[in-house]
Amino acid sequence: NAGVTQTPKFQVLKTGQSMTLQCAQDMNHEYMSWYRQDPGMGLRLIHYSVGAGITDQGEVPNGYNVSRSTTEDFPLRLLSAAPSQTSVYFCASRAGTGAREKLFFGSGTQLSVL
Amino acid sequence: AQTVTQSQPEMSVQEAETVTLSCTYDTSENNYYLFWYKQPPSRQMILVIRQEAYKQQNATENRFSVNFQKAAKSFSLKISDSQLGDTAMYFCAFMKHPYRGGADGLTFGKGTHLIIQP
Repeated sequence: NAGVTQTPKFQVLKTGQSMTLQCAQDMNHEYMSWYRQDPGMGLRLIHYSVGAGITDQGEVPNGYNVSRSTTEDFPLRLLSAAPSQTSVYFCASRAGTGAREKLFFGSGTQLSVL
Repeated sequence: AQTVTQSQPEMSVQEAETVTLSCTYDTSENNYYLFWYKQPPSRQMILVIRQEAYKQQNATENRFSVNFQKAAKSFSLKISDSQLGDTAMYFCAFMKHPYRGGADGLTFGKGTHLIIQP
């Protein structure tokens, strides 16, 4: 059981480049989300999805796009990378709404934008 | 909006000692959930303990327990018989009841770096 898989684990981009961070889960979870973690900060919610075809913004959505075409996948797109987007990105999923369902985290993607 | 405050950026204790990490939060919600997450150097986020606000009894998980004071909006984590493997960043997090509407997700504090000395 792989859980939540994020790729790549590390990435270096130049300012203005675009890329997609991949997130996949094999637990048939309805809820998926993306967080970013900056030094000295806790995780902050970027976008989330409560099911295929449904996405919504979190606390810090600017500069990021998401889509949810399947239950398994929830990619995060950076259209034009900026140094302010240098961070560690975490994808997370859970079976449904509510905290009774445990939130499973991926192992993170460390992104540097030069 | 909710805020979560962890006032101890770093703590250091000797192995086998008991340590308490502080967390306070601000919310106008009445139904919500509180969590403590552990992040070791591997970067993995690990759920340590969870508390539902409507439950008066404090949650416990083996060596980990919480002191939940709803009126004071305080949610501290106590680690008993600390072990070297407890060395990590610890994050306090808040989540409002999902059926209240609005944005979903966890609100995290900035974390406490806990170091267990041999």
